[in-house]
Amino acid sequence: DGGITQSPKYLFRKEGQNVTLSCEQNLNHDAMYWYRQDPGQGLRLIYYSQIVNDFQKGDIAEGYSVSREKKESFPLTVTSAQKNPTAFYLCASTSIGAPFNQPQHFGDGTRLSIL
Amino acid sequence: QQQVKQSPQSLIVQKGGISIINCAYENTAFDYFPWYQQFPGKGPALLIAIRPDVSEKKEGRFTISFNKSAKQFSLHILDSQAGVSGTYFCAATEGNTGFQKLVFGTGTRLLVSP
Repeated sequence: DGGITQSPKYLFRKEGQNVTLSCEQNLNHDAMYWYRQDPGQGLRLIYYSQIVNDFQKGDIAEGYSVSREKKESFPLTVTSAQKNPTAFYLCASTSIGAPFNQPQHFGDGTRLSIL
Repeated sequence: QQQVKQSPQSLIVQKGGISIINCAYENTAFDYFPWYQQFPGKGPALLIAIRPDVSEKKEGRFTISFNKSAKQFSLHILDSQAGVSGTYFCAATEGNTGFQKLVFGTGTRLLVSP
C-alpha cells in the first residue's frame, strides 16, 4: 500500500543533542511537508519542499533543519537550538501540477520528548 | 491575515446529536477549504473539502456550510456516533498557486457521549 512512513514513533532527546526524524513516502509525490502539533495550537508548518534539493522555511523553522536528497525522503533534524522541542511531529506529502485540491497525505507522526 | 480561527476548542455531544464546528478566515485569496479528522496517535486524514463557488457540500453524515461574504465555514456532523470522536481541523489555502500550503485552525476535540 502507498503511504507515508515516519520513524521512530517515539523519540527522546537529551539536552544539547540533535535528533533526526525520518519521513519516507512511496506515493510518488513531489511536495513534502513537516508540521509540529502542540495541544491547542493546531498544526504549524516547519519546512516544506516542492522538488528534490530545494526546500523553504515555514512559519516556525528556527531550531530545525531538513534535506531533500531523494524524492521519497524528507528527514527533519531537531537541533539543540530548538529550546522547546517536545511535540508531535507530522510529515505530509502531496502532488503538484494535478488539480490543486489533492489532499495532503499524513504519516502517523513521531512524538518527541526531552529526557 | 493568514490565520484560520476555529471554535470551539472542545465539544461534547450526545450520541445521535448534531456537532457543529466553526471556522473563520481573513485572507480573501483562500479558495480551498478542507477539513481533516485525526484520531489519537495517528496523522490527520482528509474528511471533506469545499471551494467557495458552492455554499454547501455533503458526504454521508458530514456537511460543510460556506459563507463567502462572512468569510466563515463550518462542519456539521449529523447523527454523531462514537466512531466520530476525535480531533477536527479546518484549513485553508490558495489553490491557484499549484502548490498546497495549508493554514490550519487550532483544532476541535469532539467527544460523543453514550
